[in-house]
Parts: sequence; C-alpha cells; structure tokens
Amino acid sequence: AQKITQTQPGMFVQEKEAVTLDCTYDTSDPSYGLFWYKQPSSGEMIFLIYQGSYDQQNATEGRYSLNFQKARKSANLVISASQLGDSAMYFCAMREGGYSSASKIIFGSGTRLSIRP
Amino acid sequence: NAGVTQTPKFQVLKTGQSMTLQCAQDMNHNSMYWYRQDPGMGLRLIYYSASEGTTDKGEVPNGYNVSRLNKREFSLRLESAAPSQTSVYFCASSTGERKNQPQHFGDGTRLSIL
Repeated sequence: AQKITQTQPGMFVQEKEAVTLDCTYDTSDPSYGLFWYKQPSSGEMIFLIYQGSYDQQNATEGRYSLNFQKARKSANLVISASQLGDSAMYFCAMREGGYSSASKIIFGSGTRLSIRP
Repeated sequence: NAGVTQTPKFQVLKTGQSMTLQCAQDMNHNSMYWYRQDPGMGLRLIYYSASEGTTDKGEVPNGYNVSRLNKREFSLRLESAAPSQTSVYFCASSTGERKNQPQHFGDGTRLSIL
C-alpha cells in the first residue's frame, strides 16, 4: 500500500541558510511520482516540484531541488538560501500508476518550516 | 482563470444534518479528488474520481459519499454530519493523462459540526 512519511513536524532555520525537508515513501509500484507542495498560512496549496520514479536526474526548480534516493525510498526537498517567505507547511505527496493512468494521490503529514530573520 | 471552485467557503452544521460540498473545475481535467485537512495535519484522501463516471475510495471514505456529476463537477456529501467531520475540505483536479502534472486545488471549505 502507498505510504508517505514526513518525520519532521516542525523546523526552524536561519534566513539565507539551506534547509532539507525529509520525505520517505513506500510503494510496490515501480512507476510513481513524487510531488512537493507548499501551504502558507493563507491556506492555498502551491505546487513546488515533481520527481518521477524513472527520472534519471534529480529535479530542480529555482531554489528548490529534490534529493531523490530511489533505493532508500526517500525524496527530500532542499531549499537553498531560505527566505522569510518560505515560512509555511510543506507536504510531500505520491502518485502511483503508469503514464496514462490516473490514480490516487496521498500526502504526508507535513513539516512546518519557520524562517528566523 | 477560475481553476477549481469550491462552494461554500464556510459552513456550520448541527450534528445529524446533511450537506453537499460542491466542486467545479474549468481546466478540462479528467481526475478530481476530495481531501480533508484537520488542524496542523496533512491532507487525507476521502474519494477520488479518475475520470467521468468512476469514483474510488481513498484513505478515509467512511461517512461520505461522492458524485461525479459530469467532467467538470465532483460533489461530496455528508449524510449525517458528526463533530469528527469538522475539518477543512479541499477539492483538487489533475489531467490524469500525465503523471507529472500536479494537482490544482480549490481554496477549501471550512466546515464546523456542532
């Protein structure tokens, strides 16, 4: 069965430092995708980055990168040069299924990131 | 650019009352989802619809029913509301055609059951 685990309920980081948010997953499907979302205090869900199980390289989007370790089933989000606006909840999510299939997408419990000035 | 629209935004119910949460998307997406988010916690999948005419249970389906009315609309019904169903409910949609496409979320419905 699908499972997503985020073991850090909360983190405090100094502004301009890099931060790594942990995410581990469990699936028996060889084809899956991993997503990271940000949820500010205003409540909306903002898509950050995606990693496919067959992608050869780690995904990067601006200051966001994904440290994908397939054998360890981990997909940690790295935020470089953190900013005050990065303070938010961060969720890891996983979708199983092949290229053309739609399937359920489940989320981890989230990590609340707080950036200190 | 409406995206995913949820109605209502806020609702207070009494225990035992019924209610339907509405969700509509204008992006021609195949797949739609309902999640609940309890305070300080992650999103838990209630039901999803991979395509028009199909629905499947998620992680926490008990106490809920859904209807995929057409490609645009996916409603969530609480037949007999309970205080444990107090939560923020999010509807989301995705193309369902490519696995790398993210979900698009509505703004949420804050539901309180007294």
